[in-house]
Amino acid sequence: DAGVIQSPRHEVTEMGQEVTLRCKPISGHNSLFWYRQTMMRGLELLIYFNNNVPIDDSGMPEDRFSAKMPNASFSTLKIQPSEPRDSAVYFCASSFGSQETQYFGPGTRLLVL
Amino acid sequence: RKEVEQDPGPFNVPEGATVAFNCTYSNSASQSFFWYRQDCRKEPKLLMSVYSSGNEDGRFTAQLNRASQYISLLIRDSKLSDSATYLCVVRTGGFKTIFGAGTRLFVKA
Repeated sequence: DAGVIQSPRHEVTEMGQEVTLRCKPISGHNSLFWYRQTMMRGLELLIYFNNNVPIDDSGMPEDRFSAKMPNASFSTLKIQPSEPRDSAVYFCASSFGSQETQYFGPGTRLLVL
Repeated sequence: RKEVEQDPGPFNVPEGATVAFNCTYSNSASQSFFWYRQDCRKEPKLLMSVYSSGNEDGRFTAQLNRASQYISLLIRDSKLSDSATYLCVVRTGGFKTIFGAGTRLFVKA
């Protein structure tokens, strides 16, 4: 079975540009999580969706960040405009129910110059 | 104070050694506990859940001490392939999931 799929795997962009990260959760999973990982702050939960509905976005750092889940098989995390401090690895994870094991995608390595 | 704290290490141990990691959490209402493993430049993967009675999976043993608010992971007979970062994970009701910063383990031949 396919795991969580993320694209792109690597993204290099210039400050001020818009960045869109994509995630396809495991089929049948109804919970989706976006995380950011940096050396300084570790792994941080940005936003959580349940049944395609955003439940809590309190981890989203600023208004420059937005996330959508138009259907059960697709989610996006957008940064507009991007800044160098947004450079990190962004992981998407999914689970069957919020209490169940979260399965992580391979991540998107973002570098903002 | 961080909600979940781990010794960052690194722990450098020879093959065959036994090594233990601890993790403390601040929220006494925390309900679920896990250990994840993350290899270099890879995604975190579930190693094992941690149950109140303690649980074992092969060479790995996890324990929970609610009174002192810490969980532990014991690895026996360390293998080279155990080299990784071990993340302590605490879930506090619903979906709120807090990851520790991780403990790095290097197993040497």
